[in-house]
Amino acid sequence: GAVVSQHPSWVICKSGTSVKIECRSLDFQATTMFWYRQFPKQSLMLMATSNEGSKATYEQGVEKDKFLINHASLTLSTLTVTSAHPEDSSFYICSARDRAGWNTDTQYFGPGTRLTVL
Amino acid sequence: AQSVTQPDIHITVSEGASLELRCNYSYGATPYLFWYVQSPGQGLQLLLKYFSGDTLVQGIKGFEAEFKRSQSSFNLRKPSVHWSDAAEYFCAVGVLGGYNKLIFGAGTRLAVHP
Repeated sequence: GAVVSQHPSWVICKSGTSVKIECRSLDFQATTMFWYRQFPKQSLMLMATSNEGSKATYEQGVEKDKFLINHASLTLSTLTVTSAHPEDSSFYICSARDRAGWNTDTQYFGPGTRLTVL
Repeated sequence: AQSVTQPDIHITVSEGASLELRCNYSYGATPYLFWYVQSPGQGLQLLLKYFSGDTLVQGIKGFEAEFKRSQSSFNLRKPSVHWSDAAEYFCAVGVLGGYNKLIFGAGTRLAVHP
């Protein structure tokens, strides 16, 4: 149980185009989803937190207009990288959680999406 | 500010040897601490977590971790490493408030020699 999928697993796009990445919780309802960015050989940096039906909360330094997050249902969140540039190339990881408390919940992570912008 | 430090970027051990991965945290309140493992092509998997109570926490795959408040540490241990344990290991601290987010350390890459 508690499986999170991401699609696509990898994507290559031209500079200036937009790319959408999907994150799905397959066997549970996720009231909260998180989007991370991971640079090569580095840690995960939280980009934003999204709650179903409300606007995403972005971390300091993350451009809201560049990284659009939509959490339209309890099983789906999308991250759209708008007008992508080579510096946006990275590994994007989502996670999902179905409870607000720490004792019974945990974050379940997707396998990640490798974005390469040419 | 909250932070997590994993001093060892890369560790190599022989199969069957014991393992200890270090993690130090900075957090103003009682921390919620986690260890995750990341294997190529797979999502991060939770190994274990500490919320309260017994400071020695048992996890999956034979891993354990000990919370030491006086040292602000949460080191991960395994008595006998298997080749399949080769992966990237991340320590994280949970930050309460809002949506309870995680702050990750830089990670330790573990290589296992046969």
